Amino acid sequence: ETGVTQSPTHLIKTRGQQVTLRCSSQSGHNTVSWYQQALGQGPQFIFQYYREEENGRGNFPPRFSGLQFPNYSSELNVNALELDDSALYLCASSSGGTTQNTIYFGEGSWLTVV
Amino acid sequence: AQSVTQLDSQVPVFEEAPVELRCNYSSSVSVYLFWYVQYPNQGLQLLLKYLSGSTLVKGINGFEAEFNKSQTSFHLRKPSVHISDTAEYFCAVRVSDSNYQLIWGAGTKLIIKP
Repeated sequence: ETGVTQSPTHLIKTRGQQVTLRCSSQSGHNTVSWYQQALGQGPQFIFQYYREEENGRGNFPPRFSGLQFPNYSSELNVNALELDDSALYLCASSSGGTTQNTIYFGEGSWLTVV
Repeated sequence: AQSVTQLDSQVPVFEEAPVELRCNYSSSVSVYLFWYVQYPNQGLQLLLKYLSGSTLVKGINGFEAEFNKSQTSFHLRKPSVHISDTAEYFCAVRVSDSNYQLIWGAGTKLIIKP
């Protein structure tokens, strides 16, 4: 039990639709990052938020966007869904924007795009 | 650019036998190194990490890893595996002068044979 909770756990969307995934970080953690893990692959970094500001982004198009709220919970939004967006989306929380040496992961949200 | 290579996609091993999962990274700067485990249909759990100091790092569940700077390796070992160790293992790297983004290997599936 890492204290990081994600919702929903599974969902199916149609190509072109939009999706919002939610993450509640571990108590006291002000940094949240999101990763995409395609089947059979390692996670790929999408972006990170520290105290409600995006402070790092991986190689993902602008249709992947996020928010972090004052209570440090977070959302990942994906617009114009494509079939290749089907993956496990992992949220991770940590304390400290620059010294996040221990990162705790949630169990993920499985997204299937049909 | 940094990268992580896990040389084996699958490692089958008999129960109570020793195991080594290999990880090599490429980076021109100092790095922090991590091993995570992912049990079926679950998120990622930190096994161990190397930040600085002793190159031999001990983690949970009897695992250990050795940082070898000259060979840019961080191999994971366990002297005697149990059926409950069946999982996928991911090696990850964070560049020490970056404040975000874990870079991941593709994972190694550890298969324990009875």
